[in-house]
Amino acid sequence: AQKITQTQPGMFVQEKEAVTLDCTYDTSDPSYGLFWYKQPSSGEMIFLIYQGSYDQQNATEGRYSLNFQKARKSANLVISASQLGDSAMYFCAMREEYGGYQKVTFGTGTKLQVIP
Amino acid sequence: DGGITQSPKYLFRKEGQNVTLSCEQNLNHDAMYWYRQDPGQGLRLIYYSQIVNDFQKGDIAEGYSVSREKKESFPLTVTSAQKNPTAFYLCASSIDLRGLYGYTFGSGTRLTVV
Repeated sequence: AQKITQTQPGMFVQEKEAVTLDCTYDTSDPSYGLFWYKQPSSGEMIFLIYQGSYDQQNATEGRYSLNFQKARKSANLVISASQLGDSAMYFCAMREEYGGYQKVTFGTGTKLQVIP
Repeated sequence: DGGITQSPKYLFRKEGQNVTLSCEQNLNHDAMYWYRQDPGQGLRLIYYSQIVNDFQKGDIAEGYSVSREKKESFPLTVTSAQKNPTAFYLCASSIDLRGLYGYTFGSGTRLTVV
């Protein structure tokens, strides 16, 4: 079974509009963390936002917010007021305890294109 | 400025050759990781190390080897046993073992077999 599932290979959004990128996960670890990363065409991975499994409130970082629904095992990224510079690949990732070590698994990504 | 430096940016390898990808960090992070990314796909974990002189296999370790002799350095060797090494390789580190603040990534090495 996939640990992290991103069902949207590609998305388009109009500049200044909000967009939601979907992410569902599967884990039996009671303590886990969820991340979102942005990968521009240059290739580097940029950390956007983190949500811990025990965090009571949804994480927010500027224009990014994470819609965490624990019972549904979903951790969707919401980008408000999209900008042209938001065009990139976006990856959802999950951290779990694995044999005494911390391990992070990535989804296959969603390519977001912002239209002027 | 602190960060992770990967070198070289582009690397060409002949069939049957071993090559080593460099990863150096000056962030004083304990944990370091190597990921492989194929076109249109996510990142897959090759190896990870949470302290000096200790490292663990990830999901796709076959054909790869690593060392962690210094906290700052985590080189990856792609051996001739790796049958399909052409890919984009990313090195990462984290400030703590739980990765609460996310990983810091290098800018990657693009390896091509010729």
